[in-house]
Amino acid sequence: GIQVEQSPPDLILQEGANSTLRCNFSDSVNNLQWFHQNPWGQLINLFYIPSGTKQNGRLSATTVATERYSLLYISSSQTTDSGVYFCAVVRGAQKLVFGQGTRLTINP
Amino acid sequence: SQTIHQWPATLVQPVGSPLSLECTVEGTSNPNLYWYRQAAGRGLQLLFYSVGIGQISSEVPQNLSASRPQDRQFILSSKKLLLSDSGFYLCAWSYGMNTEAFFGQGTRLTVV
Repeated sequence: GIQVEQSPPDLILQEGANSTLRCNFSDSVNNLQWFHQNPWGQLINLFYIPSGTKQNGRLSATTVATERYSLLYISSSQTTDSGVYFCAVVRGAQKLVFGQGTRLTINP
Repeated sequence: SQTIHQWPATLVQPVGSPLSLECTVEGTSNPNLYWYRQAAGRGLQLLFYSVGIGQISSEVPQNLSASRPQDRQFILSSKKLLLSDSGFYLCAWSYGMNTEAFFGQGTRLTVV
């Protein structure tokens, strides 16, 4: 099956810093989503982005489908951005396959 | 608008006891439904998915089963829980593989 790798596994930054999270996938995909898991465990939808670039406030994402990767950018980080960020893809069968996540810690 | 409800939020069950977790979706019809499990705060593993009433696909052999008795209801069950069944269980829905998926708030299960 398709493999999804996220990097880095852990990232610690000071408030106000910018960050880039990467998601590599091993095959072409029909769908790609980015999620933020908050401290209570809830998965918050950030972007549905099988290709191209999208922006939402301080967050933006780019997926280059032909090169099999996606990037999530967080600018001017805030402590509330802390948590685990997941990339998930769909290929073929109707199911999301998740990466292992990037744990982001923003210190005040 | 569509909403997904999952309950209970937390559950502590003894080894060998049965389990029933319920998930319902409102505001849509004929959704795809999914059960995921997350262990140790990382990596969500797909357990079951359903594209219609009575249609269940199992991803990994295990001590759990799933049922879809109604269009917008998805149930995760076990006849006898094991310690290894502990984890965070999340239900999700989508319209299909090329559409966005949305998750419920999850159930944290501890088997003691």
